[in-house]
Amino acid sequence: QLLLQESGPGLVRPSETLSLSCTVSGGSLISDDYSWGWIRQPPGKGLEWIGSVSYTGSTYYNPSLKSQVTISIDMSKNQFSLRLHSVTAADTAIYYCSKGHGAIAARVDYWGQGTLVTVSS
Amino acid sequence: QSALTQPRSVSGSPGQSVAISCTGTSSDVGAYNWVSWYQQLPGKAPKLILYDVSRRPSGVPDRFSGSKSANTASLTISGLQAEDEADYHCCSYAGDYVAFGGGTKLTVL
Repeated sequence: QLLLQESGPGLVRPSETLSLSCTVSGGSLISDDYSWGWIRQPPGKGLEWIGSVSYTGSTYYNPSLKSQVTISIDMSKNQFSLRLHSVTAADTAIYYCSKGHGAIAARVDYWGQGTLVTVSS
Repeated sequence: QSALTQPRSVSGSPGQSVAISCTGTSSDVGAYNWVSWYQQLPGKAPKLILYDVSRRPSGVPDRFSGSKSANTASLTISGLQAEDEADYHCCSYAGDYVAFGGGTKLTVL
């Protein structure tokens, strides 16, 4: 059973960098058919795709967030990570890590439970 | 504002059928057959219920079906049950990113 678990601070100050990690258990990060991604959901709103990374380290970002986002992968720890720079209150959301079919995956087969990150001073 | 447009809410009585639309453009829904639907129960992560417009993952009841016409995809839930009350999100591949709808709240009366 594949499990994804997000971890990181629940509170980030405006203008700082939001950093989250996703630990994958019950399976390997190595897959030619799947990518590892981040999706967020502001409270009471819809989902927004942030981006994804393949096991080779190739990255794909939402054009609207591209200048603000870095996604990386650490095969030795079976983890992948999200860094969102220069955050504002608009970045307050539940952040989900995910495993999706394809490099830019509309089909997400596995989700973490999600972690709420609040941007506030 | 979400890239794909869904109704904010729909409702139906047990046993009835409901449909939820998802309207995009010729650059996303209209261009690819990579449309997915997710069910999200309160306080939970979304769950994949349809992919590639109309394919169901293992374990998803055949009461859930999907279709697409031009720039609009649709999710139909037949034989509505109380446990179907949830938020439903559509999603489409859009070339260089993934677009989501704003989500639709389904109320079972």
